[in-house]
Amino acid sequence: SQQGEEDPQALSIQEGENATMNCSYKTSINNLQWYRQNSGRGLVHLILIRSNEREKHSGRLRVTLDTSKKSSSLLITASRAADTASYFCATDRAVRTSGSRLTFGEGTQLTVNP
Amino acid sequence: KAGVTQTPRYLIKTRGQQVTLSCSPISGHRSVSWYQQTPGQGLQFLFEYFSETQRNKGNFPGRFSGRQFSNSRSEMNVSTLELGDSALYLCASSQRTGGFEQYFGPGTRLTVT
Repeated sequence: SQQGEEDPQALSIQEGENATMNCSYKTSINNLQWYRQNSGRGLVHLILIRSNEREKHSGRLRVTLDTSKKSSSLLITASRAADTASYFCATDRAVRTSGSRLTFGEGTQLTVNP
Repeated sequence: KAGVTQTPRYLIKTRGQQVTLSCSPISGHRSVSWYQQTPGQGLQFLFEYFSETQRNKGNFPGRFSGRQFSNSRSEMNVSTLELGDSALYLCASSQRTGGFEQYFGPGTRLTVT
C-alpha cells in the first residue's frame, strides 16, 4: 500500500510557468525523496530532504518539508517541455541499523506545453 | 561513474515459468533494493540487500526472492510466474543502507503470458 498521496494527480502548464506538486504521508520519517520518471523508464533522483530540514534547493527545484503536517512540496520554477514526466515522492523511515525501504506516493503527471 | 545497470531490459515469460533478473549497482555502492511498478499498485518495495544480507523485505509472496554477491551485484528471482507479475522491476543502489539517496536503473519490463 502507498504511504502517501500526491496532489494533484495531473498538472498541465505552459513553458515558463512554475509547477507545484504536493505530497502527504502518514508515518514519521527519516527523509523524503523526490524522483522523476519519464514514460515507463527508470526513476531519476532529484532531491533528498531529511526530517530535520525544512527547505532544500537544487537548480530550478525547491523542496519543502513540514513534518508537523506530514507533507512536502516540490516546486519547479521556469518549467521546460523537457520537465514533462511523472514525479514521485518517497518516504524512508530508515535508521542506520534497520536498512532502507522507500514508500512511494502515486505520483503527479506533469505536462509542460511548449 | 557508470549508473545502475539491469539485464535483461525486456523479458516475456509464460505462466508457471521462473525468471531471474540481474542488477549491477554503481561502483562503490553496497546497498541494492528492488521495486515492482505496476499501473494498479504503483511502486512497491520488494527487498533490500546490504553486504550480501537481506536487510528489509516487502509484502510479497515467497515466490519472490533475491540475493547479493560479494561484488554487490544482485539478482532477483520469481518462481511460478503469474499473470499479475507482469511489471517493471526496478533496481536501486545506494552507498550505504539506512536513509541515503537511492539511484535507480532503467528497469526490466517483464511480461507474463
